[in-house]
Amino acid sequence: AQSVSQHNHHVILSEAASLELGCNYSYGGTVNLFWYVQYPGQHLQLLLKYFSGDPLVKGIKGFEAEFIKSKFSFNLRKPSVQWSDTAEYFCAVNPRGGGSQGNLIFGKGTKLSVKP
Amino acid sequence: KAGVTQTPRYLIKTRGQQVTLSCSPISGHRSVSWYQQTPGQGLQFLFEYFSETQRNKGNFPGRFSGRQFSNSRSEMNVSTLELGDSALYLCASSLAGTEGGGTQYFGPGTRLLVL
Repeated sequence: AQSVSQHNHHVILSEAASLELGCNYSYGGTVNLFWYVQYPGQHLQLLLKYFSGDPLVKGIKGFEAEFIKSKFSFNLRKPSVQWSDTAEYFCAVNPRGGGSQGNLIFGKGTKLSVKP
Repeated sequence: KAGVTQTPRYLIKTRGQQVTLSCSPISGHRSVSWYQQTPGQGLQFLFEYFSETQRNKGNFPGRFSGRQFSNSRSEMNVSTLELGDSALYLCASSLAGTEGGGTQYFGPGTRLLVL
């Protein structure tokens, strides 16, 4: 079965530290990839997405992610985090074609706590 | 454009009852997907509707059902509620639907508590 793994359940950083959240998926075919963020008390918001082309994608609020096809990975990065980045981050994969269901498969999420 | 709206936002039911949740997608979006979010299982796909037809279905029992109307608004129904159905139910809309590679935009969710 297709699955998405997020390696860290809870990450605690100080402001200005660099961030990298890991995401790996299991599916051999073409995929669309997403990172969503859920701030405390708010709904899921799209952070960035990858459909095709340049594997390094930039999103909102200074976030970026790199798609490495050979590693089935789509890691999220930010050079310098802020207290306002405290949130839960979800990686999601949309398998394309080959009889796949086509729905979004989510990782379990990574809670990021940024200390001021 | 207004975002995805869901009603009601909070709901308390007792075991054995049934519940109907509503979702209004972003104007122009024809696809609506539903997800269940729980602390233990995370976000799990329930089903997707596109142009009033169920196009995809997740691995949930038949007690979970849905429908979509001609204006793209969608409802999901859960019959014979169980304690384990307590969750945040999220609705997401997109232009093309997931099979078309569309980006899904999420609503605030309906928090259901089953006592």
